[in-house]
Amino acid sequence: QLQLQESGPGLVKSSETLSLTCTVSGGSISSSNYYWAWIRQRPGKGLEWIGSIYYSGSTYYNPSLKSRVTISADTSKNQFSLILKSVTAADTALYYCARRSGTYYHPGYYWGQGTLVTVSS
Amino acid sequence: QSALTQPPSASGSPGQSVTISCTGTSSDVGGYNYVSWYQHHPGKAPKLMIYDVTKRPSGVPDRFSGSKSGNTASLTVSGLQAEDEADYYCSSYEGSNNYVFGTGTKVSVL
Repeated sequence: QLQLQESGPGLVKSSETLSLTCTVSGGSISSSNYYWAWIRQRPGKGLEWIGSIYYSGSTYYNPSLKSRVTISADTSKNQFSLILKSVTAADTALYYCARRSGTYYHPGYYWGQGTLVTVSS
Repeated sequence: QSALTQPPSASGSPGQSVTISCTGTSSDVGGYNYVSWYQHHPGKAPKLMIYDVTKRPSGVPDRFSGSKSGNTASLTVSGLQAEDEADYYCSSYEGSNNYVFGTGTKVSVL
């Protein structure tokens, strides 16, 4: 059974960089035709697509976040990561990682439990 | 990229049906047959209930069904059960490997 686990600092200062890691078990992030994604949920708000990385390394970002977001993968650790620069209070959210097969067009089938990140001033 | 519009809440008694709408544009919902629905119990990972507008992943009860007309998709939960009480989010593909989510609907079982 595939499992995803988000990790990273729970508190980030405003204007600094948020960095999160998703550790994958029960499957390889190098497996063909899978996308590995980041999604967030701000307090009291709905879900927001951040972006994804394909097994080949190609990345795709939400246009509204593109200038601040980088998603990368470390196949040796079977992890993929999210970097969000110049954070503000509006980036306070529960951050999820997820996986979907390239055969399907939905944000993700397997999801992590999420990790809360608070941006402080 | 604007969030898809869902009603904030919906409710029904056990055994009844509830339908949730999800309105987008011709650039997302209306442009692709790639609408999905997620069930989200707070504190847990969202669960995929419907994909490709009408398809159910293995293990999802057939009480859950999806449809689409123009720029509006819908999720119907028939035979409501207590465990169906949750937040529901629609999502649509919008091209270029990007997705947009709905504003979310809280379903209450009375």
